[in-house]
Amino acid sequence: AQSVTQPDIHITVSEGASLELRCNYSYGATPYLFWYVQSPGQGLQLLLKYFSGDTLVQGIKGFEAEFKRSQSSFNLRKPSVHWSDAAEYFCAVFRRTSGTYKYIFGTGTRLKVLA
Amino acid sequence: DVKVTQSSRYLVKRTGEKVFLECVQDMDHENMFWYRQDPGLGLRLIYFSYDVKMKEKGDIPEGYSVSREKKERFSLILESASTNQTSMYLCASSPGTADQETQYFGPGTRLLVL
Repeated sequence: AQSVTQPDIHITVSEGASLELRCNYSYGATPYLFWYVQSPGQGLQLLLKYFSGDTLVQGIKGFEAEFKRSQSSFNLRKPSVHWSDAAEYFCAVFRRTSGTYKYIFGTGTRLKVLA
Repeated sequence: DVKVTQSSRYLVKRTGEKVFLECVQDMDHENMFWYRQDPGLGLRLIYFSYDVKMKEKGDIPEGYSVSREKKERFSLILESASTNQTSMYLCASSPGTADQETQYFGPGTRLLVL
């Protein structure tokens, strides 16, 4: 079955520390890949996306993600975390197959930032 | 900027009531989606629509129906609300073109069914 796995339910980092959130997917071919962020009580906001080309993609708020086909991974990184980055992060994939759409979201990683 | 709005941020309803959640997008997007979000389960697709009057079941359509009479508006209907439908409901839209399949989300409606 097609799936998206975010193995870390919670992550806590200190402000200024680096961050890496993991995402693995299971598909036969390269899907479209996304990272979204959700602040408390809000909808999801797109951080970045990968469709093709350069495997390192830059997003908003200083985030980047690297697509690694060999590992079926699309991990999100930030070199220095700010307190305002505390939120829930969702990885998602999109496939168009047989004329229908398929979006699948991971279960999310909640980030806590220590002052 | 794409704007997706949802009719209510918070709703409290009683078991058995008919509930309407409305979503409007202002970017002429082809596709619209309804998800529910529950702790530990992430987002689960209820229904989506790729054109006016067209709809497709998602992963958890039971107990829900949808309506899309106009391109910009996609309604989620709970015919007879039950307590297990207490959740956060998120609406999203996407352009529908092959290279633009980014979803844009509304702020969500938190529904409590008593």
